[in-house]
Amino acid sequence: GQQLNQSPQSMFIQEGEDVSMNCTSSSIFNTWLWYKQDPGEGPVLLIALYKAGELTSNGRLTAQFGITRKDSFLNISASIPSDVGIYFCAGQRHAGGTSYGKLTFGQGTILTVHP
Amino acid sequence: DSGVTQTPKHLITATGQRVTLRCSPRSGDLSVYWYQQSLDQGLQFLIQYYNGEERAKGNILERFSAQQFPDLHSELNLSSLELGDSALYFCASSVAVQGAFADTQYFGPGTRLTVL
Repeated sequence: GQQLNQSPQSMFIQEGEDVSMNCTSSSIFNTWLWYKQDPGEGPVLLIALYKAGELTSNGRLTAQFGITRKDSFLNISASIPSDVGIYFCAGQRHAGGTSYGKLTFGQGTILTVHP
Repeated sequence: DSGVTQTPKHLITATGQRVTLRCSPRSGDLSVYWYQQSLDQGLQFLIQYYNGEERAKGNILERFSAQQFPDLHSELNLSSLELGDSALYFCASSVAVQGAFADTQYFGPGTRLTVL
């Protein structure tokens, strides 16, 4: 099935460094979301973006909804060991009424933080 | 804790068997989504229910079916299981208010299915 193009696939960084990852699509989305998944757990919502150009922060996390509505990025500043996990972008289209539509996911970015 | 519960946490079964996965959405959420996560396919949407009715279908095999009950919990039934069906199965729920600007999905902890 369709997936978003998420990069990088993996990152190995030192504690305290900043991290950036992004997602691109060939088609537009109404909503972009970023989730984090820990081993054996379900994805946890980090940030939701609802308007093109929107820049939203959640603590050390900042995400932006691309102007073209075909891309989004996530930045993590001053990384800490508990940031380790898999980060997924997801796009959603609003189909009208109560049909908000499925989430289309990126392949994920595996983040490793060395103390 | 997202408020979405799934049972069982782990399931080990044999090829050809049938299993049922259960999901209870967050209190007040009317919509339930099922996703499959595998190493080669990533997270893939299977099916959506809203207030008991099927709303959307994704890459769901004919051997798989789902339903949402009057109390809003949902079950995903997988039959004639094959080795390739081994995966994590997630349920997500959302409020899905008519006419709302957006709708956020919250995921349960998943069921890990192993088919031997």
